[in-house]
Amino acid sequence: GENVEQHPSTLSVQEGDSAVIKCTYSDSASNYFPWYKQELGKRPQLIIDIRSNVGEKKDQRIAVTLNKTAKHFSLHITETQPEDSAVYFCAAKRGNAGNMLTFGGGTRLMVKP
Amino acid sequence: GAVVSQHPSRVICKSGTSVKIECRSLDFQATTMFWYRQFPKQSLMLMATSNEGSKATYEQGVEKDKFLINHASLTLSTLTVTSAHPEDSSFYICSASPPGSATEAFFGQGTRLTVV
Repeated sequence: GENVEQHPSTLSVQEGDSAVIKCTYSDSASNYFPWYKQELGKRPQLIIDIRSNVGEKKDQRIAVTLNKTAKHFSLHITETQPEDSAVYFCAAKRGNAGNMLTFGGGTRLMVKP
Repeated sequence: GAVVSQHPSRVICKSGTSVKIECRSLDFQATTMFWYRQFPKQSLMLMATSNEGSKATYEQGVEKDKFLINHASLTLSTLTVTSAHPEDSSFYICSASPPGSATEAFFGQGTRLTVV
């Protein structure tokens, strides 16, 4: 099955700096890679996703890059703000497995004002 | 976006009792729903795949007799934690996706279960 590794597990940055979170996946048939933001005690919220036919996608301060050959994808947050502080999860959808997601271990991002 | 509603959001029960958690897709039909468990400061671990009209598919290490899943309609899946013990205390969360390939997964609000 799919295995998703996420690094780092914690990340502390100063407000205004950039934050980068990296994930690797094992199943070359995976074709959908979402990123979720989860605040304490709440449901994960999709912030950006990328499909395997695209190498990069950007939405305002958030961008995701995908390297299919190396089987890794990354989340980039620029101009971080204190409200970006949360736990971020990457995920991969197993090929031919419906909409089942395999999640990375999560990254706790802390943005210091 | 699509809406998935989960109920209850919090429940406290005594050891040995059973607790039922509901997951509903409010504006789409879901032949498949997923149940996750999340321990504090950890990731979401898939417990089982709920299949409408057929048996659930459980992940390795998840006891099917302890975590009963029923997907009786295209908009409702239930997870029943039977004979709950304190170690079952956790955050349980469901997800579902509208029909189509590679579509966004929508999560329920989650259920904080505390077994005392």
